[in-house]
Amino acid sequence: GENVEQHPSTLSVQEGDSAVIKCTYSDSASNYFPWYKQELGKGPQLIIDIRSNVGEKKDQRIAVTLNKTAKHFSLHITETQPEDSAVYFCAAPSSMNRDDKIIFGKGTRLHILP
Amino acid sequence: EAGVTQFPSHSVIEKGQTVTLRCDPISGHDNLYWYRRVMGKEIKFLLHFVKESKQDESGMPNNRFLAERTGGTYSTLKVQPAELEDSGVYFCASSQARNEQFFGPGTRLTVL
Repeated sequence: GENVEQHPSTLSVQEGDSAVIKCTYSDSASNYFPWYKQELGKGPQLIIDIRSNVGEKKDQRIAVTLNKTAKHFSLHITETQPEDSAVYFCAAPSSMNRDDKIIFGKGTRLHILP
Repeated sequence: EAGVTQFPSHSVIEKGQTVTLRCDPISGHDNLYWYRRVMGKEIKFLLHFVKESKQDESGMPNNRFLAERTGGTYSTLKVQPAELEDSGVYFCASSQARNEQFFGPGTRLTVL
C-alpha cells in the first residue's frame, strides 16, 4: 500500500519569506496529491491539489510541484503571512482505484515569525 | 451552507467507559469518512460510508469500535470499552465528488 513521508515536521520562516514542505510517496501508480491546512481548533481544509498529468499547479501564493520519476511532491508558499501559520498535511491515495481513501503524511507545523 | 459538524468537541472518559461521537455531514453528501489522529502521528483512515452502507472499514482498529449511519445522514462512532490508546482526535469528513473531502473540526477524545 501507499506510504507517505513528510518533511520537515516543524518549520519556522520570517514573515514575507517562502516556505517549502516536501513529501515522498511509495506507490508509482498514485495520481492524485492533495494538500491540507489545519488551523487551531479546526479540521484539515483542502488548499490545493495536483494530478499526475501536470508537474506544477499554482493558486495565488501557494503552488505544488510534482516529480513522478522521483515520487515526490512539494508545497511552496511565497510571501508568507501570519495567517499561514498552521499544520500542513500532504496526502496520496491508498491505491490507484481508491483516490478517495487518502493516506496522510505526519504533518508540518509552520510558524510564521513576525 | 453549513459545514461538517462534530459533537462533542472534547470528551474525557475513564478506561472501560463508552463514548459515542457524532458527525453531521454536509447536506446531500453521500460519502462520509471517519479518521483519527493520535498525538504527533499522521491522520489515519478508519472507515467510509456511501449513504448508509459501509464501503470500506479496513481502518477500524478493532471490534471495540462501531460506526453507524442510519438513514444515510448523520453518523456515530462508538468506542466500547475505551482503552488508553484510543485517545486522539477523531475527524469526520464528507464529500459528494470522490476527491474533495470537507472535514469537521474533530472530537478530541482523552481516555484516562
